[in-house]
Amino acid sequence: DIQMTQSPSSLSASVGDRVTITCRASQSIRSYLNWYQQRPGKAPKVLIFAASTLQRGVPSRFSGSGSGTDFTLTVSSMQPEDFATYYCQQSYSTPRTFGQGTKVE
Amino acid sequence: QVQLQESGPGLVKPSQTLSLSCSVSGDSITRPNYYWSWIRQPAGMGLEWIGRLSPRGSTNYNPSLESRVTISLDTSKNQFSLRLTSVTAADTAVYYCARDEGVELWGGGGYFDSWGQGSLVTVSS
Repeated sequence: DIQMTQSPSSLSASVGDRVTITCRASQSIRSYLNWYQQRPGKAPKVLIFAASTLQRGVPSRFSGSGSGTDFTLTVSSMQPEDFATYYCQQSYSTPRTFGQGTKVE
Repeated sequence: QVQLQESGPGLVKPSQTLSLSCSVSGDSITRPNYYWSWIRQPAGMGLEWIGRLSPRGSTNYNPSLESRVTISLDTSKNQFSLRLTSVTAADTAVYYCARDEGVELWGGGGYFDSWGQGSLVTVSS
């Protein structure tokens, strides 16, 4: 299985802050990396797919970068609705695997 | 717009079988573009992919669960189902069904673009 490791596990931010979350794969996954946002009690929602493609309807303050084993999710200016948990997920091989999550509070 | 809805018992006894269905509306489950997955999340923990069904009806399972899992398709009802046998307390979780969009011909790629609301299943006597 490909292991996905996110850092940090949690972080404290304020409205307007720039936030960066990193995700590292245990082997190269090319650009097969997706990012999800999960609010409490809700299903995850895809933000970014294929490492850097913004899902329709997702605000442009979200961006993704990286390839191979190292990836980054950036929120350029935190908004109140962005305080949530974020997960990366690889789609290079099965089983699909997720990072452990980063809680932004 | 596609919508997914999980249904099934919220309480299952240890050693018994967990069965959930996912009804899909707004799109045909047999469209060639999509795979259909089950994902679970224990309370306060991360996401675990259980397995998926391809447009051609083939399946891939997480090796950690493979001996106990079956995912199947019911085209007449436009839904797919999950069966997990010999459950224990460790199987207590919110179970999500999800559509896997953009999977390439070789089976890689894709992302979960639509999710059900989740179904809490508790394993307890």
